[in-house]
Amino acid sequence: ETGVTQTPRHLVMGMTNKKSLKCEQHLGHNAMYWYKQSAKKPLELMFVYSLEERVENNSVPSRFSPECPNSSHLFLHLHTLQPEDSALYLCASSVGGTGSTDTQYFGPGTRLTVL
Amino acid sequence: LAKTTQPISMDSYEGQEVNITCSHNNIATNDYITWYQQFPSQGPRFIIQGYKTKVTNEVASLFIPADRKSSTLSLPRVSLSDTAVYYCLVGVNFGNEKLTFGTGTRLTIIP
Repeated sequence: ETGVTQTPRHLVMGMTNKKSLKCEQHLGHNAMYWYKQSAKKPLELMFVYSLEERVENNSVPSRFSPECPNSSHLFLHLHTLQPEDSALYLCASSVGGTGSTDTQYFGPGTRLTVL
Repeated sequence: LAKTTQPISMDSYEGQEVNITCSHNNIATNDYITWYQQFPSQGPRFIIQGYKTKVTNEVASLFIPADRKSSTLSLPRVSLSDTAVYYCLVGVNFGNEKLTFGTGTRLTIIP
């Protein structure tokens, strides 16, 4: 209903696995975001893309690798994760630019469990 | 970046009006104020946005005083389904600014 979809909705992986999270927005937006939300913690901004270029990287460990092939798709590639990386990973999109009214639209999230 | 301060939690009974206040003393001239709602294991959802005075939509009202250093989200006649975390955000997410979702206000509606 929000126009932002995420797959998979749930993912369980071992520390040696490689997996990818996918986000797709159908809103014609130019900006996309990855957030991490651990249990009972605030949302943490991980990456921001504007017109397919990364404009923000909040010192995220290299085991998280984002990819934005076009303005409608965003991926988060995961490898050699740690158990503390278990969290809800949320994708969002917005019109983008420097407008002061830029509202973010969130996907349903991927619940990731690292064993 | 305008940092925001909200109460960590609030309780209210069904049918009452709930007001959640957010302080943003360092709000910039061009900053808008945006409120989001988040249910457990879901992404936040936009509720309302405003710049000054009062904004009302089908879900809530937003009251902003003349100095804009605070704002109040008003939820009329709450129901159990309004139990959620409410976030107040000020500013935008580009350039030298970063939008941060703080801890928000955990609203619990009591039957």
